[in-house]
This record gives sequence, structure tokens and C-alpha cells, in this order.
Amino acid sequence: KNEVEQSPQNLTAQEGEFITINCSYSVGISALHWLQQHPGGGIVSLFMLSSGKKKHGRLIATINIQEKHSSLHITASHPRDSAVYICAVTTGNQFYFGTGTSLTVIP
Amino acid sequence: EPEVTQTPSHQVTQMGQEVILRCVPISNHLYFYWYRQILGQKVEFLVSFYNNEISEKSEIFDDQFSVERPDGSNFTLKIRSTKLEDSAMYFCASTVGTLSYNEQFFGPGTRLTVL
Repeated sequence: KNEVEQSPQNLTAQEGEFITINCSYSVGISALHWLQQHPGGGIVSLFMLSSGKKKHGRLIATINIQEKHSSLHITASHPRDSAVYICAVTTGNQFYFGTGTSLTVIP
Repeated sequence: EPEVTQTPSHQVTQMGQEVILRCVPISNHLYFYWYRQILGQKVEFLVSFYNNEISEKSEIFDDQFSVERPDGSNFTLKIRSTKLEDSAMYFCASTVGTLSYNEQFFGPGTRLTVL
């Protein structure tokens, strides 16, 4: 069973496009994390949120606790945004990961 | 900027051998984690560690696995008798507090290859 589902699995965009990645989860959570995995494999935390909305530069993350859904938006996408974006939820001290969304931004 | 480090970056071992993967978390962090990612698959939680004991562990973390914080800086993952299916990238991470309220910092990973 997948506690965390992401869509789409793969996404190709032209530079400058607005991008949305969606995440749905089925467990009760205390927080949701958005992570970025670079082509080399390294993982970086982008956001941790438990309600509402957060913004960092061109990235915006929102969460709707009632609907068990979160979205990650990238405005004015750039080729350097090409990476796998992973949604992960925590129930306390465990972490459940989505399968990731592979984003390719074409110049 | 402080960072989580892991050694070695790549470990090759024979099936049945013991391996120890090492991590140095960020110095003021109190919670430590190990994850694995089999090639082409999603990241999976293995174990969390706080106050010198395991907080949570997944079904993957069976008796072949153990974790230790031997000296106050290192955080190790031991696999006692490696199997082919243990081949994966292993990530260590740390947080200053619980995952419910804190951003997680990941190490660069150790790629384990079991032959």
C-alpha cells in the first residue's frame, strides 16, 4: 500500500512555465515535507509544513489537511529546477515517502 | 554551513559480509535517521534514533540491522550479513527536533553494492 501518492510521475516543461506537483496521503500526519533529489542522488529539504502555505523564492507549497492533499508550485521554471521532487509525510518519528515526480525543464 | 557527512561514498562487499556505514550528523542535532533507496525505487525509512535509543523502525529494519552512536559524533548503521537485496543507496539524516516541527538535513549517501 502507498501511504503517499504523487502526480504526475514525470513532467516536462518549457523554461518559464508554471509547474504544479501534487501529493495525496492516506495517513494521519503531523507534518508534510517536500524534498528535492538532484540527479547525483543528494536530497535537500525544501519545505516542512503542517498547515497553510509557505513560499521560498520561486517555490510555493500548500497543504489542505482536511483533504489530505499538498501541492508544490514552481513559478518561472528554469532548467536548474530539473530534479526529482519527493513528498514525504511524518506521523511522528516515521517518514513515508512518495515515489517522486521527475521534472525536466527544457531551455 | 553545517552539513551531514557520510562515509564511505561507495562500499562494495561480498554477500554475507558485515558492513558498517558511518554518518556524522550536524553537531547540535538530536534526532538521527537512516533511509535507503534501492535503484529506481522510492526512498524508504529504516530507523529513527533519539537519546541513544531507537525511536521507530520500519519492517525493513530487521535483526540484520543495528544502529549505534558510539562516540557522540558518529551515527552508524551496521548490516550483519549482507544480502544481494541490500544493495541500495543509504542516506543518513538529522534534525534538531522531531520531524513534526523540523526540517531534515540529509547526508550525501553511501552506495552499497553487494556482490
